[in-house]
Amino acid sequence: GEDVEQSLFLSVREGDSSVINCTYTDSSSTYLYWYKQEPGAGLQLLTYIFSNMDMKQDQRLTVLLNKKDKHLSLRIADTQTGDSAIYFCAETQGGKLIFGQGTELSVKP
Amino acid sequence: EAEVAQSPRYKITEKSQAVAFWCDPISGHATLYWYRQILGQGPELLVQFQDESVVDDSQLPKDRFSAERLKGVDSTLKIQPAELGDSAMYLCASSLEGTGFRAFFGQGTRLTVV
Repeated sequence: GEDVEQSLFLSVREGDSSVINCTYTDSSSTYLYWYKQEPGAGLQLLTYIFSNMDMKQDQRLTVLLNKKDKHLSLRIADTQTGDSAIYFCAETQGGKLIFGQGTELSVKP
Repeated sequence: EAEVAQSPRYKITEKSQAVAFWCDPISGHATLYWYRQILGQGPELLVQFQDESVVDDSQLPKDRFSAERLKGVDSTLKIQPAELGDSAMYLCASSLEGTGFRAFFGQGTRLTVV
């Protein structure tokens, strides 16, 4: 989706924190989402944030939302090799989920 | 945990042939979505159902693609005739309501057209 933009690749070392960034366009999006996709598989809903929130924490995941800049980020603490996957940011537009191109996270031991 | 079921997982077909994919959403989910994901890209919505009614098919290539959800439960997506450019992952998702809130995805059907 051209309306949602993400960087394509991120490489980190095991145990480090990963930060995946996303910019979106629809300021009326009620919810913003992060999905994870492992090779050859469907999309797994990781977490979501309501648009009136600035931050949401869920175990190793922290979502930050900057509505003014339309910027969303996902921080993964203590990144593990099992976190290697493609991460998609998504916004809702008129009831539809609009996805970014995905960020491929590579975790090196 | 309830899941969205899709079949087949993989399909290889020759161009100009017909192909069909099936999806069974999570029980009780009124909204069902079909997405297409081309390799290296994010999913793009093809069609959205609310119960048995189509609420958005603006991106569905209607000359060759059709989708139905006759009883408001499971759904079938058909391509006839298939073209080389249709090779992609076809993903089905469902949610309780039609706002896109908390949509859950199936494992997808990987289509290869040769």
